[in-house]
Amino acid sequence: SQTIHQWPATLVQPVGSPLSLECTVEGTSNPNLYWYRQAAGRGLQLLFYSVGIGQISSEVPQNLSASRPQDRQFILSSKKLLLSDSGFYLCAWSVSGQFNQPQHFGDGTRLSIL
Amino acid sequence: SQQGEEDPQALSIQEGENATMNCSYKTSINNLQWYRQNSGRGLVHLILIRSNEREKHSGRLRVTLDTSKKSSSLLITASRAADTASYFCATTGANNLFFGTGTRLTVIP
Repeated sequence: SQTIHQWPATLVQPVGSPLSLECTVEGTSNPNLYWYRQAAGRGLQLLFYSVGIGQISSEVPQNLSASRPQDRQFILSSKKLLLSDSGFYLCAWSVSGQFNQPQHFGDGTRLSIL
Repeated sequence: SQQGEEDPQALSIQEGENATMNCSYKTSINNLQWYRQNSGRGLVHLILIRSNEREKHSGRLRVTLDTSKKSSSLLITASRAADTASYFCATTGANNLFFGTGTRLTVIP
């Protein structure tokens, strides 16, 4: 069966520090991968999606970047964090080439910027 | 925006009662999906209804879709305390899903 792992679960970082969040998927090949941010009590904002290794699409201009160095690995990064980067970050995957199919989410990373 | 909007924003019911949540959207869709999110966790896919379907059931869940009104509803029957969570509808876009802001359901034991 397929599983998705996200880490760390929680992270507290000072303003201006770098960021690296990692997401890995097991049990499937060439998945579509997604990074979302969820503000408290709000819906999900799509940040990035990827249909293959090295292929990244950005939905919202921002202080963050994403990379997909391996088929089932998706990384969210920042060189210098802002206070506004605080939030709950979720990684998800869906079947290759099927954007209208169910997405499967990790348990998220709670990021607090001080 | 293609984003779905859930109504109500919050709902509190007694255990055993039914809970109904609604979702409205603005553009044509391929399908509509409902997800559940427990506090501090990721979203879990509950059910998908295609644009040519009007009703779908899964266990205690019943979803309806009215494409002429661009709306959907999720009914949870015989609610349990464990159903306490946020529920989101998601509509299909060209490259991804668009999620609403959710309905926060509290089931009181």
